[in-house]
Amino acid sequence: KAGVTQTPRYLIKTRGQQVTLSCSPISGHRSVSWYQQTPGQGLQFLFEYFSETQRNKGNFPGRFSGRQFSNSRSEMNVSTLELGDSALYLCASSLTSGGTRPDTQYFGPGTRLTVL
Amino acid sequence: QKEVEQDPGPLSVPEGAIVSLNCTYSNSAFQYFMWYRQYSRKGPELLMYTYSSGNKEDGRFTAQVDKSSKYISLFIRDSQPSDSATYLCAMSETGANSKLTFGKGITLSVRP
Repeated sequence: KAGVTQTPRYLIKTRGQQVTLSCSPISGHRSVSWYQQTPGQGLQFLFEYFSETQRNKGNFPGRFSGRQFSNSRSEMNVSTLELGDSALYLCASSLTSGGTRPDTQYFGPGTRLTVL
Repeated sequence: QKEVEQDPGPLSVPEGAIVSLNCTYSNSAFQYFMWYRQYSRKGPELLMYTYSSGNKEDGRFTAQVDKSSKYISLFIRDSQPSDSATYLCAMSETGANSKLTFGKGITLSVRP
């Protein structure tokens, strides 16, 4: 089975621009979560989508948004980029969402975003 | 205070050493505890997954959870150069679906 894929792998933008990142989950996985990884803050949860609905949201400003399509693929958008948005953005997919036992999350390789 | 604290490292050990990695947490609602390994330029991969207090062993890896002390550990026996990576602890609440709260990670280097 193919793993989680993320595109693009690397991206350079300038302040004020917006960016869209894409994530294709493992086939059959219905939940997609997004995380931001920086040296200073580590891995931080952005949001999670299940069946095209946002199920959970972290403490990030409204400039960070996402969506999920009917085929479970997900996109994340960051508007009005700031220097501090430079990070590795990781997507993780899991089989289901909810219930009493969290399912294993499988991470993609990430998109390295640099904001100049 | 962050919800999950992890020794920042880095950590360098000789091949064959026993490695102990630790995390503390403050949220009593955490019930599920995980250790992820992340190689350079890769996403994290799940190493160990435990529920509530106790020990779990998988080959050279042992995960321990002490909920009374809000402390979790990962032990690596007979460490190998291939174990050189960043190790991240992660936790989630019961029924909180997919939100994982991570420690900042510790970079381990195993010297041949």
